[in-house]
Parts: sequence; C-alpha cells; structure tokens
Amino acid sequence: DIQMTQSPSFLSASVGDRVTINCKASQNINKYLNWYQQKLGEAPKRLIYNTNNLQTGIPSRFSGSGSGTDYTLTISSLQPEDFATYFCLQHNSFPFTFGSGTKLEIK
Amino acid sequence: EVQLVETGGGLVRPGSSLKLSCATSGFTFSNTWMNWVRQAPGKGLEWVALIKDKYSNYEANYAESVKGRFTISRDDSKSRVYLQMNTLRDQDTATYYCTRLGYWGQGVMVTVSS
Repeated sequence: DIQMTQSPSFLSASVGDRVTINCKASQNINKYLNWYQQKLGEAPKRLIYNTNNLQTGIPSRFSGSGSGTDYTLTISSLQPEDFATYFCLQHNSFPFTFGSGTKLEIK
Repeated sequence: EVQLVETGGGLVRPGSSLKLSCATSGFTFSNTWMNWVRQAPGKGLEWVALIKDKYSNYEANYAESVKGRFTISRDDSKSRVYLQMNTLRDQDTATYYCTRLGYWGQGVMVTVSS
C-alpha cells in the first residue's frame, strides 16, 4: 500500500499569511493527488485534483504542485474561511490512501 | 446540480449487518466510478471501497480493513451505489460518505456498539 505522510499536522497562521502543506508518498503516484478541505461537521470539499487542477468554484489563492512522491498545497493569502482541516488523497493505485490531515488554526 | 444522498445508517450490535445506500443525480452515473469513504469520530478519512463502471466490468476494490466483510454494489438503472456491511466491529463506527471524489454526500453515521 502507498503511505501518505502529510505535514505539518497542525499549523497556526494569520489572515493574509502564505501557507504550504505537504504530502509525501511512499512511492511515485504519477500526480494522482487530490487536496480536500473539511470544516467541522461537513463533508470534505475537493480543492485541487491531479496535483494542480483547481476545482471549479475554488478561489485562485489555492494552488497545488508536485510530482513523483512530493506534493504541496499552497494558500497564497489566508482568509478567515480557510481555517479548516486539509487532507491529501492519492488515487494512483489501490487501496487509495489519505494523508493524516493538517489542522489550520488562527494564530 | 450533482447530488449524493446517503441513507441506511444507525446503531447496531457488533457482529450484525447493515446496508448503506447512496442515491445520486445530476451526472451520468453509469460511467462514473463510485467510492465509499469513512471517518471515525474525531479521526481522519479512510477510503473503504470503489466500484468501477460497466466498461470495467464493475470491478470492485476494498481497503484491507473491510475486505471479506463489506461489499460494494451499484444499480445503474437507479443511479444508486450500495455498501453491504457484514460482521460489523466497534472500529467500523464512523460517518460513511458516498463520493465520486470530486463530489461528496453529506454522510451517514454508523455506530457499532453493544
């Protein structure tokens, strides 16, 4: 199985900050990497698919990059509504696997 | 508008069975691969199962934790996907989401407890 190591687990930041969240796969996942945002009591929402494709309706301050085993989600300027938990998902091979999550909190 | 609505959750005893259903609309269900993903209370996301479309012979894949106990199925005529869960364990307690990865249902709670 492919292991997804997500970092950091917790991130404290301020409105307007630029933040990055990382996922490292235990083997090449060929850019089949999605990023999700989840708020308390809600279903996950896809932000980015296949490494760097912005989901329709998602603000352009969210972006993704990476290749091989290393992937990054960047939020260019944090807004109050961005404080949530973020997960990565590899869907290159079965079983699909999620990162353990990054909780983004207000500093 | 894409919609996915899960039903069938509840409180059950360890060792029992439960069948979840997900009704979908707003997209071409018959050629969409469908997944179930779960989230234990206060924990992260766990992919559970996927069923491919008819062009891939409805092939199913499972997480090791549910293999042999859970069965994913679909009814293209009703645009529904199902998850039959047998021999339920305490650790199967979670919110179960039906998803095509880009769109998710609101989730349904399954609690396994004696």
